[in-house]
Amino acid sequence: GQNIDQPTEMTATEGAIVQINCTYQTSGFNGLFWYQQHAGEAPTFLSYNVLDGLEEKGRFSSFLSRSKGYSYLLLKELQMKDSASYLCAPGGGYQKVTFGIGTKLQVIP
Amino acid sequence: KAGVTQTPRYLIKTRGQQVTLSCSPISGHRSVSWYQQTPGQGLQFLFEYFSETQRNKGNFPGRFSGRQFSNSRSEMNVSTLELGDSALYLCASSGLSNRGEQFFGPGTRLTVL
Repeated sequence: GQNIDQPTEMTATEGAIVQINCTYQTSGFNGLFWYQQHAGEAPTFLSYNVLDGLEEKGRFSSFLSRSKGYSYLLLKELQMKDSASYLCAPGGGYQKVTFGIGTKLQVIP
Repeated sequence: KAGVTQTPRYLIKTRGQQVTLSCSPISGHRSVSWYQQTPGQGLQFLFEYFSETQRNKGNFPGRFSGRQFSNSRSEMNVSTLELGDSALYLCASSGLSNRGEQFFGPGTRLTVL
């Protein structure tokens, strides 16, 4: 089975950096996804890590440690539009993706 | 390229009824997954279809079923609705070249009274 742990809520200031952590225990792990979901909208893909290490994509970076069952999403230069839920999702084979309950991030001025 | 579409967007049913939801994936995508989203449980995986075959199934009762057609469109059926089935039902499609990235539709908001 899958067990995913991430903070339920976080608050950060516009322009700052925030790190959202995720730990997971899973079977059949292939890689880890991060999705963003604005209130009332569908999730949208942010990143996918297969190998250990940091992957950077603009203001967003994602890190994975397979041996520790740990990942984080780093958001830099926070903007108000970054207020959303961020879903950590370890994936197995054949689209067998399990989503965490998500971290609701509030960006304040 | 058009995105994932779901119909209907909103639905109100009463306990005991059944409901069918529809999902049209992005053109060329053969994998369609269904999820149930509720405030307390987050996104829960229901099942995934690929080329008309169910490849994966989550931990939902047999009242939840699905199918996929030859054009990759998928339907999800819930029979004998319960109050707890009230949720947002999301479908997501993915293609072979996307490394597993899933593209979500806008969802169907089901309310069971």
